[in-house]
Amino acid sequence: DTAVSQTPKYLVTQMGNDKSIKCEQNLGHDTMYWYKQDSKKFLKIMFSYNNKELIINETVPNRFSPKSPDKAHLNLHINSLELGDSAVYFCASSSILGLAGTDTQYFGPGTRLTVL
Amino acid sequence: AQTVTQSQPEMSVQEAETVTLSCTYDTSESDYYLFWYKQPPSRQMILVIRQEAYKQQNATENRFSVNFQKAAKSFSLKISDSQLGDAAMYFCAYRSAETSGSRLTFGEGTQLTVNP
Repeated sequence: DTAVSQTPKYLVTQMGNDKSIKCEQNLGHDTMYWYKQDSKKFLKIMFSYNNKELIINETVPNRFSPKSPDKAHLNLHINSLELGDSAVYFCASSSILGLAGTDTQYFGPGTRLTVL
Repeated sequence: AQTVTQSQPEMSVQEAETVTLSCTYDTSESDYYLFWYKQPPSRQMILVIRQEAYKQQNATENRFSVNFQKAAKSFSLKISDSQLGDAAMYFCAYRSAETSGSRLTFGEGTQLTVNP
């Protein structure tokens, strides 16, 4: 009964490869997010989708492309991986329940990406 | 843009004692939400407590309470009767209430050690 799940939990790959991270939530939420946690543990927003529509797109290289097939899923595809992409990537979800501000974000377990 | 600052990179506490983690933020908005998240070694991001800026009463969740000083833009977390399981990285986070589905802006984190 995992609320927000991510696969894989660990991903080790070579520079130049293309990889995807999948995220699914079973909370019935309508908004999903991707955050990146760097080696110093700093967390920063990358993308946000509401009902499959992109609503936040931070200054992220266009090698990163989120895809939301439905409101329960938000996948992250990364092309031409670079050493600097090594990080932990977190998916999160929340629900906009009419009143702005009621949407606490719940996080997945994170995916540790290592680029060699 | 909003910023969140945690000035204590590391803190330690004896088991059963009380510890306070500091957080300050900068914003021009009047309506917002503040959160404390805990990240144990498992790296899961766990919501500890949340505070609505329009509420004067400080939030409390069992052994966790906050001291919210809106004028001073300060939001500290107090952990009472510290337990070994409280050892983790603690992140303070800000979210605007003026935009639904908006991002979390995180502080740099405070690593809490609990000594037996």
